Amino acid sequence: EAQVTQNPRYLITVTGKKLTVTCSQNMNHEYMSWYRQDPGLGLRQIYYSMNVEVTDKGDVPEGYKVSRKEKRNFPLILESPSPNQTSLYFCASSYRARNRGTGELFFGEGSRLTVL
Amino acid sequence: DAKTTQPNSMESNEEEPVHLPCNHSTISGTDYIHWYRQLPSQGPEYVIHGLTSNVNNRMASLAIAEDRKSSTLILHRATLRDAAVYYCILRASNAGGTSYGKLTFGQGTILTVHP
Repeated sequence: EAQVTQNPRYLITVTGKKLTVTCSQNMNHEYMSWYRQDPGLGLRQIYYSMNVEVTDKGDVPEGYKVSRKEKRNFPLILESPSPNQTSLYFCASSYRARNRGTGELFFGEGSRLTVL
Repeated sequence: DAKTTQPNSMESNEEEPVHLPCNHSTISGTDYIHWYRQLPSQGPEYVIHGLTSNVNNRMASLAIAEDRKSSTLILHRATLRDAAVYYCILRASNAGGTSYGKLTFGQGTILTVHP
C-alpha cells in the first residue's frame, strides 16, 4: 500500500531536549516536505526536499533542521525544542517531475508534538 | 510566491451541490491548480487538479475560469463525510517552476454539511 509514515504520532517532551520526527514514503517519490499546522494559521511549510541531498527552506524553517540522505526518508529535527514548536506536523511526498505523475501530494497522518 | 484566497467557511445541506471558490490572480502560466481536503483528525488528501480545462473525477469537479485567475471546486451532492477543510494551492507544472517546491496552503475553507 502506498503510504507516508510518520513517527512518533504523539510526543510530549520538555524544552531543550533534542527530538527527531521521522518520515518515510514507499512510493519512490523524489519530493518530500514538512508542514506544521496551528489553529487559525492553516498549514505552513517548514522545509522541502527536491531529491536526495537537496533541501530548502519553506516559510517557517526557524528552529528546525532536516536531512535527506536516502530517497525514502526525510526526518525533521528539533535540536532544542521550545514551547512555540508545540504543533501538529505533517510530512508529504510526491513525484518531482510531472511526466512521472500528477504532482499530487501524499500526506502522512500527522505527528502531534507538545513541548513543555 | 503565488497565493490563493478562499472564504474562511461555507455551509451546505446534505445532498445539495457545493461550490467552493478560490481566487488566484497571480497564477503563472506553468501553475496547476490543486485542491486538497483535510478531514477531522487526518492528514490532507488530494482531491483534484487542473491547468486550463474543467476536470472531473470520482470525488469532484474543478471549474477553471477562462483567465485562470479563479477556480471552483464542485461537490455535486454533499454528504456528511464531505465536511472538511478544503485547500486550494498552486503548483508549478515542473520541477523548474518556482512554485513546485515551496508551497503555500493558507487556511482553507471549512465546509460544514448539515443533515
